Amino acid sequence: QSVLTQPPSVSAAPGQTVTISCSGSSSNIGNNDVSWYQQLPGTAPRLLIYDSNKRPSGIPDRFSGSKSGTTATLGITGLQTGDEADYFCEAWDDNLGPGGLFGTGTQVTVL
Amino acid sequence: QVQLQESGPGLVKPSETLSLTCAVSGYSISSGSYWGWVRQSPGKGLEWIGSIYHRGSTYYRGSSYYNPSLMSRVNISVDTSKNQFSLRLTSVTAADTAMYYCARVIRAAAALEVSFYFDYWGQGTLVTVSS
Repeated sequence: QSVLTQPPSVSAAPGQTVTISCSGSSSNIGNNDVSWYQQLPGTAPRLLIYDSNKRPSGIPDRFSGSKSGTTATLGITGLQTGDEADYFCEAWDDNLGPGGLFGTGTQVTVL
Repeated sequence: QVQLQESGPGLVKPSETLSLTCAVSGYSISSGSYWGWVRQSPGKGLEWIGSIYHRGSTYYRGSSYYNPSLMSRVNISVDTSKNQFSLRLTSVTAADTAMYYCARVIRAAAALEVSFYFDYWGQGTLVTVSS
């Protein structure tokens, strides 16, 4: 069964950097692009990164994405209290139908 | 600015059909794009339900994708006259209780690599399945 695995939680102090990993397989991350979403409490997800490393207009350059093999990574530099949210990765999976597959999600806490 | 707004009953009885509509503004559905639905059970992660492609008045059957776990119960359709699209989920159970989001979907393929992401989202609508 296809799964995109993320750490349940990460935390850091304001101003520091956090990275969130998203581990998949050759049928998803290894072969296709990755997107990342931020979900603030009680709100809809917001697109942060698409095509593994591109930012939509309006997304600060503090957010960055990368991909290597079957693992994608979201980086957040200069952490702010407003960054406290859940973060999800997503990728097309060649075996899931095919279809879209979301990661398990990571809660970011600003200490 | 593209905006999406979900609407539909907040309470559905077990074994009945869940029907939701997503009204799109700031973009013509006829212009050509994918449209889809994502749900989130209380306290849980995101689950992709399905996505369809529509351009003009044509529904591209070969460009519809549904989550295999829901495929037998799901249908997504488009109404270009109202610039909206809809979700129907039959034979619902308590496990279908969730926040349902509609979204515009970007899907592009270069060689064998697929780019698939949701660039505009509705605010979501909570659907509870209970008698």
